[in-house]
Parts: sequence; C-alpha cells; structure tokens
Amino acid sequence: DAGVTQSPTHLIKTRGQHVTLRCSPISGHKSVSWYQQVLGQGPQFIFQYYEKEERGRGNFPDRFSARQFPNYSSELNVNALLLGDSALYLCASSLLRDTEAFFGQGTRLTVV
Amino acid sequence: GEDVEQSLFLSVREGDSSVINCTYTDSSSTYLYWYKQEPGAGLQLLTYIFSNMDMKQDQRLTVLLNKKDKHLSLRIADTQTGDSAIYFCAESRLVGNEKLTFGTGTRLTIIP
Repeated sequence: DAGVTQSPTHLIKTRGQHVTLRCSPISGHKSVSWYQQVLGQGPQFIFQYYEKEERGRGNFPDRFSARQFPNYSSELNVNALLLGDSALYLCASSLLRDTEAFFGQGTRLTVV
Repeated sequence: GEDVEQSLFLSVREGDSSVINCTYTDSSSTYLYWYKQEPGAGLQLLTYIFSNMDMKQDQRLTVLLNKKDKHLSLRIADTQTGDSAIYFCAESRLVGNEKLTFGTGTRLTIIP
C-alpha cells in the first residue's frame, strides 16, 4: 500500500514566482496537513484540511494557501516567493482528523 | 505560547543506551510524540504518550513523562548504527496531526 506521496521531490524557483506543491494521502485518509521545515529546525504547522475544509492554520502569511480535492489529495500554493521560503515542505495524512499522522518524504523548495 | 525545546546533539557508543530529553511549555498538551528523521527523509512516528501516563515502553524504546516539570524523555536501549538520525519531540492537544508543535530536533550520532 502506497504511503503519502508528494510531488515534486525537489524544485528551484526564483524570488517573486509562485509554486504549487502536491500531496496524495494514504488511500482512505481524509485529513491532510502541511508543515514547513527550514534547515536545522523542526517542522512548523501551516494548514490542516479535513473533508475538504480548512480546519487549522498556522502563523503563516496570506501568501500561503492550500486546498483539498474530492479525492482528498491536496495542494499547497505559495505566492510571491521569498528567499526565506526555502525549506522542506512536508505533508501528513491521517484517517480522520484526530488519528495518527503519517508523513511523506517532503518537497525540497529552493528559492534563489 | 507553545514551545518545545531539545538539546541539539547527542553522541552515544554503539550498544549503550541513548536518552534524548525534551521540555515543553503548553500545559494543555494532551499527546506527546517522538519522531525520527533520517537524512533526506520525512518523519517517522516512533511512539507517543498520553499526558495522563508516566511511562510507555515499546521494544527498545521507553518514553518517560514528568507532567509536573513538563519534561519528556526517550530512551533507546542497545543503540545501533541504524538509530543515527534526528529525533523530534512534538506535542498536540489531540492525537494526530492537528497542529503538532515540534522541537528543534536532537541529532543522535552513534560512535562505533
């Protein structure tokens, strides 16, 4: 059974551009969360989506947005990229909103 | 606010026990977790403990919780080279991935 899959695995963007990161949860999982992990730090919570609705938001600017699709996959969008947005972006899925979370391998974003 | 702190580095000889410590500030924390991150990989949930428990043991892993001092520890018995990784302590008010708050991580190095 496939785990949480994220795409792309790596990408490089220029300041001011926008980026879309994708996450496919484990089959049957309805909750998806996004985390940002800057090098040398622990992951920081960005969003949680459950049943296609936003259920939680971390302390990130409005340049960050996300959505969840009917098949429970999710996209994280970041506009007007800054150098400080360079990080590993992790997606986690869980069966329900309050059950164990499984993390994907992450997307490493480099902003130059 | 919520804050989770860990020491950054720990070196242990192969075969010895490793003890990784964590302190947290949020008295509303309900669940406390230990995650493992190997180079280039996502996060692997090792174990978690409910805040009304003092101890949890799972094979080579022992988690101790001192709720009064808001102190959590992870003991790895008979440490092996495959245990080399960064270990993150995290807390949440619900089990699962609703706003997990992570520490900065402890890099465990195994000395042959």
